[in-house]
Amino acid sequence: QVQLVQSGAQVMRPGASVKVSCKASGYTFTSYFMHWVRQAPGQGPEWMGIINPTGDNTNYAQKFQGRVTMTRDTSTSTVYMELSSLRSEDTALYYCAGSSGYYNYFDYWGQGTLVTVSS
Amino acid sequence: QSVLTQPPSASGTPGQRVTISCSGSSSNIGSNTVNWYQQLPGTAPQLLIYSNNQRPSGVPDRFSGSKSGTSASLAISGLQSEDEADYYCATWDDSLNGWVFGGGTKLTVL
Repeated sequence: QVQLVQSGAQVMRPGASVKVSCKASGYTFTSYFMHWVRQAPGQGPEWMGIINPTGDNTNYAQKFQGRVTMTRDTSTSTVYMELSSLRSEDTALYYCAGSSGYYNYFDYWGQGTLVTVSS
Repeated sequence: QSVLTQPPSASGTPGQRVTISCSGSSSNIGSNTVNWYQQLPGTAPQLLIYSNNQRPSGVPDRFSGSKSGTSASLAISGLQSEDEADYYCATWDDSLNGWVFGGGTKLTVL
Protein backbone atom coordinates (compact mmCIF):
# COMPACT_ATOMS: atom_id res chain seq x y z
CA GLN A 1 0.00 0.00 0.00
CA VAL A 2 1.02 3.61 -0.48
CA GLN A 3 3.05 5.05 2.37
CA LEU A 4 4.58 8.46 2.92
CA VAL A 5 6.97 8.40 5.86
CA GLN A 6 8.32 11.70 7.10
CA SER A 7 11.38 12.59 9.14
CA GLY A 8 11.16 13.21 12.87
CA ALA A 9 10.30 16.26 14.94
CA GLN A 10 12.78 19.14 15.09
CA VAL A 11 13.32 22.12 17.37
CA MET A 12 14.89 25.11 15.63
CA ARG A 13 16.13 28.53 16.63
CA PRO A 14 14.62 31.66 15.04
CA GLY A 15 16.47 32.55 11.85
CA ALA A 16 17.59 28.98 11.17
CA SER A 17 16.53 26.69 8.32
CA VAL A 18 14.78 23.33 8.58
CA LYS A 19 14.66 20.50 6.04
CA VAL A 20 11.93 17.87 6.25
CA SER A 21 11.95 14.67 4.22
CA CYS A 22 9.13 12.45 2.97
CA LYS A 23 9.94 8.96 1.68
CA ALA A 24 7.37 7.30 -0.58
CA SER A 25 6.71 3.63 -1.15
CA GLY A 26 4.01 1.41 -2.60
CA TYR A 27 3.50 3.28 -5.88
CA THR A 28 5.41 4.66 -8.83
CA PHE A 29 7.16 7.67 -7.32
CA THR A 30 7.47 9.53 -10.61
CA SER A 31 3.73 9.37 -11.28
CA TYR A 32 2.67 11.64 -8.42
CA PHE A 33 2.86 15.34 -7.73
CA MET A 34 3.87 16.11 -4.17
CA HIS A 35 2.58 18.93 -2.00
CA TRP A 36 3.61 20.33 1.34
CA VAL A 37 0.87 21.46 3.70
CA ARG A 38 1.38 22.83 7.19
CA GLN A 39 -0.99 23.09 10.12
CA ALA A 40 -0.34 25.42 13.02
CA PRO A 41 -1.76 24.43 16.43
CA GLY A 42 -5.54 24.74 16.40
CA GLN A 43 -5.58 26.02 12.81
CA GLY A 44 -6.69 24.71 9.44
CA PRO A 45 -4.22 23.34 6.90
CA GLU A 46 -2.20 25.78 4.80
CA TRP A 47 -0.84 24.82 1.38
CA MET A 48 2.82 25.69 0.90
CA GLY A 49 3.56 24.47 -2.59
CA ILE A 50 3.89 21.64 -5.09
CA ILE A 51 6.68 19.83 -6.94
CA ASN A 52 6.03 17.93 -10.17
CA PRO A 53 6.83 14.21 -10.64
CA THR A 54 10.21 14.78 -12.25
CA GLY A 55 11.28 17.49 -9.81
CA ASP A 56 12.01 20.14 -12.43
CA ASN A 57 8.99 22.34 -11.75
CA THR A 58 7.70 23.84 -8.54
CA ASN A 59 4.97 26.28 -7.57
CA TYR A 60 5.14 27.91 -4.17
CA ALA A 61 2.37 29.76 -2.36
CA GLN A 62 3.05 33.48 -2.49
CA LYS A 63 3.36 33.63 1.29
CA PHE A 64 6.40 31.32 1.23
CA GLN A 65 8.14 32.44 -1.95
CA GLY A 66 11.78 33.23 -1.26
CA ARG A 67 11.80 31.12 1.93
CA VAL A 68 10.80 27.63 0.79
CA THR A 69 12.53 25.14 -1.50
CA MET A 70 11.04 21.81 -2.55
CA THR A 71 13.16 19.11 -4.15
CA ARG A 72 12.84 15.42 -4.90
CA ASP A 73 15.31 12.56 -5.30
CA THR A 74 13.92 9.90 -7.62
CA SER A 75 16.71 7.48 -6.75
CA THR A 76 15.45 7.26 -3.14
CA SER A 77 11.77 8.14 -3.78
CA THR A 78 12.11 11.03 -1.35
CA VAL A 79 10.86 14.61 -1.46
CA TYR A 80 12.26 17.40 0.67
CA MET A 81 10.97 20.74 1.92
CA GLU A 82 13.38 23.33 3.25
CA LEU A 83 12.09 26.45 5.00
CA SER A 84 14.52 29.23 5.87
CA SER A 85 14.53 32.31 8.12
CA LEU A 86 12.34 30.53 10.64
CA ARG A 87 10.22 32.52 13.06
CA SER A 88 7.95 31.47 15.90
CA GLU A 89 4.90 31.62 13.62
CA ASP A 90 6.39 28.75 11.61
CA THR A 91 5.80 26.36 14.52
CA ALA A 92 3.47 23.77 12.99
CA LEU A 93 2.94 20.23 11.81
CA TYR A 94 4.29 19.88 8.27
CA TYR A 95 2.72 17.26 6.01
CA CYS A 96 3.68 15.95 2.60
CA ALA A 97 0.74 14.87 0.44
CA GLY A 98 0.53 13.24 -2.97
CA SER A 99 -1.84 13.87 -5.87
CA SER A 100 -2.11 12.17 -9.26
CA GLY A 101 -2.48 15.50 -11.03
CA TYR A 102 -1.55 19.13 -10.55
CA TYR A 103 -5.15 20.13 -9.79
CA ASN A 104 -6.18 16.84 -8.21
CA TYR A 105 -7.17 16.14 -4.62
CA PHE A 106 -4.57 14.88 -2.14
CA ASP A 107 -4.84 11.10 -2.13
CA TYR A 108 -2.13 10.29 0.34
CA TRP A 109 -0.66 12.06 3.34
CA GLY A 110 2.46 11.59 5.42
CA GLN A 111 2.18 11.28 9.19
CA GLY A 112 3.36 14.85 9.74
CA THR A 113 6.55 16.37 11.15
CA LEU A 114 6.39 18.78 14.07
CA VAL A 115 8.70 21.75 13.68
CA THR A 116 9.01 23.94 16.76
CA VAL A 117 10.70 27.33 16.46
CA SER A 118 11.83 28.61 19.82
CA SER A 119 14.70 30.55 21.27
CA GLN B 1 -7.77 33.90 8.35
CA SER B 2 -8.70 31.11 5.95
CA VAL B 3 -9.80 31.82 2.38
CA LEU B 4 -12.72 29.40 2.70
CA THR B 5 -15.20 29.96 5.53
CA GLN B 6 -16.55 27.11 7.65
CA PRO B 7 -18.48 27.15 10.93
CA PRO B 8 -16.02 26.37 13.75
CA SER B 9 -18.25 23.71 15.27
CA ALA B 10 -21.17 21.39 14.61
CA SER B 11 -22.86 18.73 16.68
CA GLY B 12 -25.49 16.03 16.57
CA THR B 13 -26.70 12.93 18.32
CA PRO B 14 -26.14 9.39 17.04
CA GLY B 15 -28.34 8.66 14.03
CA GLN B 16 -28.93 12.31 13.20
CA ARG B 17 -28.00 14.10 9.98
CA VAL B 18 -25.62 17.06 10.12
CA THR B 19 -24.38 19.40 7.43
CA ILE B 20 -21.21 21.48 7.31
CA SER B 21 -20.99 24.48 5.01
CA CYS B 22 -18.01 25.93 3.17
CA SER B 23 -18.21 29.38 1.64
CA GLY B 24 -15.80 30.82 -0.91
CA SER B 25 -15.73 33.09 -3.94
CA SER B 26 -15.80 33.08 -7.73
CA SER B 27 -12.04 32.50 -7.95
CA ASN B 28 -12.10 29.30 -5.90
CA ILE B 29 -15.32 27.34 -5.25
CA GLY B 30 -17.12 29.24 -8.00
CA SER B 31 -14.79 27.87 -10.68
CA ASN B 32 -13.26 24.69 -9.27
CA THR B 33 -14.33 21.45 -7.64
CA VAL B 34 -14.31 21.03 -3.87
CA ASN B 35 -12.70 18.30 -1.80
CA TRP B 36 -13.37 17.44 1.82
CA TYR B 37 -10.92 15.97 4.32
CA GLN B 38 -11.57 14.30 7.66
CA GLN B 39 -8.97 14.64 10.41
CA LEU B 40 -9.36 12.30 13.34
CA PRO B 41 -7.65 13.40 16.59
CA GLY B 42 -3.88 13.12 16.39
CA THR B 43 -3.79 11.96 12.77
CA ALA B 44 -3.18 13.43 9.32
CA PRO B 45 -6.11 14.61 7.20
CA GLN B 46 -7.67 11.96 5.02
CA LEU B 47 -9.60 12.40 1.77
CA LEU B 48 -13.34 12.07 2.38
CA ILE B 49 -15.05 13.58 -0.69
CA TYR B 50 -13.49 14.67 -3.99
CA SER B 51 -14.78 16.52 -7.03
CA ASN B 52 -17.71 17.97 -5.05
CA ASN B 53 -19.60 14.72 -4.46
CA GLN B 54 -17.44 11.65 -5.15
CA ARG B 55 -16.49 9.21 -2.43
CA PRO B 56 -13.14 7.40 -2.47
CA SER B 57 -13.26 3.66 -2.07
CA GLY B 58 -13.94 2.74 1.55
CA VAL B 59 -15.83 5.91 2.52
CA PRO B 60 -19.36 5.04 3.69
CA ASP B 61 -22.28 6.41 1.69
CA ARG B 62 -23.41 8.19 4.86
CA PHE B 63 -21.05 10.94 3.69
CA SER B 64 -22.12 13.11 0.77
CA GLY B 65 -21.04 16.39 -0.76
CA SER B 66 -22.62 19.07 -2.90
CA LYS B 67 -21.75 22.40 -4.43
CA SER B 68 -23.80 25.36 -5.57
CA GLY B 69 -22.31 28.59 -6.84
CA THR B 70 -19.60 29.72 -4.45
CA SER B 71 -20.62 27.40 -1.60
CA ALA B 72 -20.26 23.71 -0.83
CA SER B 73 -21.67 21.41 1.81
CA LEU B 74 -20.78 18.15 3.46
CA ALA B 75 -23.62 16.06 4.84
CA ILE B 76 -23.27 13.18 7.27
CA SER B 77 -26.33 11.02 7.83
CA GLY B 78 -26.77 8.31 10.45
CA LEU B 79 -24.20 10.03 12.66
CA GLN B 80 -21.87 7.71 14.55
CA SER B 81 -19.48 8.33 17.42
CA GLU B 82 -16.49 7.57 15.19
CA ASP B 83 -17.46 10.54 12.99
CA GLU B 84 -16.21 12.88 15.71
CA ALA B 85 -13.39 14.71 13.95
CA ASP B 86 -12.35 17.93 12.27
CA TYR B 87 -13.59 18.45 8.72
CA TYR B 88 -11.93 20.70 6.13
CA CYS B 89 -13.00 21.83 2.68
CA ALA B 90 -10.38 22.63 0.04
CA THR B 91 -10.22 23.80 -3.55
CA TRP B 92 -7.92 25.45 -6.08
CA ASP B 93 -7.93 29.25 -6.19
CA ASP B 94 -7.33 30.76 -9.63
CA SER B 95 -6.40 34.19 -8.27
CA LEU B 96 -3.94 32.91 -5.68
CA ASN B 97 -2.68 30.17 -8.04
CA GLY B 98 -2.72 27.68 -5.21
CA TRP B 99 -4.77 25.40 -3.01
CA VAL B 100 -6.87 26.92 -0.26
CA PHE B 101 -8.49 25.33 2.78
CA GLY B 102 -11.27 26.18 5.14
CA GLY B 103 -10.55 26.84 8.79
CA GLY B 104 -12.19 23.57 9.74
CA THR B 105 -15.32 22.42 11.55
CA LYS B 106 -15.06 20.38 14.72
CA LEU B 107 -17.87 17.84 14.77
CA THR B 108 -19.02 16.61 18.17
CA VAL B 109 -21.27 13.58 18.54
CA LEU B 110 -23.33 14.15 21.67
